[in-house]
Amino acid sequence: GGIITQTPKFLIGQEGQKLTLKCQQNFNHDTMYWYRQDSGKGLRLIYYSITENDLQKGDLSEGYDASREKKSSFSLTVTSAQKNEMAVFLCASSIRDWIYEQYFGPGTRLTVL
Amino acid sequence: GDKVKQSPSALSLQEGTNSALRCNFSIAATTVQWFLQNPRGSLINLFYLVPGTKENGRLKSAFDSKESYSTLHIRDAQLEDSGTYFCAAEDSNYQLIWGSGTKLIIKP
Repeated sequence: GGIITQTPKFLIGQEGQKLTLKCQQNFNHDTMYWYRQDSGKGLRLIYYSITENDLQKGDLSEGYDASREKKSSFSLTVTSAQKNEMAVFLCASSIRDWIYEQYFGPGTRLTVL
Repeated sequence: GDKVKQSPSALSLQEGTNSALRCNFSIAATTVQWFLQNPRGSLINLFYLVPGTKENGRLKSAFDSKESYSTLHIRDAQLEDSGTYFCAAEDSNYQLIWGSGTKLIIKP
């Protein structure tokens, strides 16, 4: 089996600050995803990457940057944190593209003061 | 309107009873996934479905692409089944569209 780890588990930042969230997977999966989940809502896709150094925008990419430094890691940067961005950010991976099962990390909870 | 509509939005059950959750699609869904988000927030993949049915222990799921719906049946509900259940459907553009979830509470 494999595992997806996300760091940090909790992230507190100031409004306007640039914040980075990290995700690592040891499944050897090709595709990785970043989602945002607002309280009581479903998931919305921010970015995904089908291979190292690839980036694809999701529905919610504005205000975010992402980086797929290597196959096992995918970072998400909040370019300028806003108070209405308080949410849980979930990282996922799948063997290849969408048609395969996605496996999720435990999430990073972002609070903006 | 919602492309993936889940019902009910919330459900409270006694331990030991059975229930059915449903997703209706207004898109041409090709595959469906069901997830459980437990009270700690972790998302667990329950099923990945092409049209047809799958069963795993007390859980059974069906996906009918022609009638555009999927169901998740929980038999003999246990306290650890509590959480929010999400379905997500893959559309013809290979995008995964998420429902807004069914919050399930199992009472002793």
